[in-house]
Amino acid sequence: GAVVSQHPSWVICKSGTSVKIECRSLDFQATTMFWYRQFPKQSLMLMATSNEGSKATYEQGVEKDKFLINHASLTLSTLTVTSAHPEDSSFYICSASRGLPETQYFGPGTRLLVL
Amino acid sequence: DQQVKQNSPSLSVQEGRISILNCDYTNSMFDYFLWYKKYPAEGPTFLISISSIKDKNEDGRFTVFLNKSAKHLSLHIVPSQPGDSAVYFCAASAGNNDMRFGAGTRLTVKP
Repeated sequence: GAVVSQHPSWVICKSGTSVKIECRSLDFQATTMFWYRQFPKQSLMLMATSNEGSKATYEQGVEKDKFLINHASLTLSTLTVTSAHPEDSSFYICSASRGLPETQYFGPGTRLLVL
Repeated sequence: DQQVKQNSPSLSVQEGRISILNCDYTNSMFDYFLWYKKYPAEGPTFLISISSIKDKNEDGRFTVFLNKSAKHLSLHIVPSQPGDSAVYFCAASAGNNDMRFGAGTRLTVKP
């Protein structure tokens, strides 16, 4: 149990378009979902934390108007990269927690390439 | 299904002793393994990695061991320090950057 999926796994888009990434907890209800971006040297930067039915909490330096997060249900959170630019190209990973403070189940990630 | 498993959600160790964190995986296609350390309210930071062509990689106090036949890897921290207290995630990839993470083990190092 405790599987998290992400869709799509790969996306290539033109500069200026918007891209939506879905994160789903397949067999449990996720009270909290997290969105990360992977930078060089493989550390994951926490972008935002979202709880079902409420607005996401963004980390300092993350533009909330550019990275729209919606946590519409206990099993689905979406990240929309609006007006994507080449510098947004990265690996985006979500994780979900079902209430235990430090156990997070990670999705497989989404590779975004903006041309 | 969970392809990467960390079966111990928590571990408590005395300062100065060895900490051993374990990780098991099921996908034999994984060829690169990583350990991340995570403090509260931060993203996981990269700690150490190992390629499947090796069985040991050492970096200071941190050593990762890989047993491919058992599909098992472990992270050894010696000597453990209170600042090592954090959640540790193991991750594995199959060459395409599609990383699979374990659920994490919380390490507490007591002074």
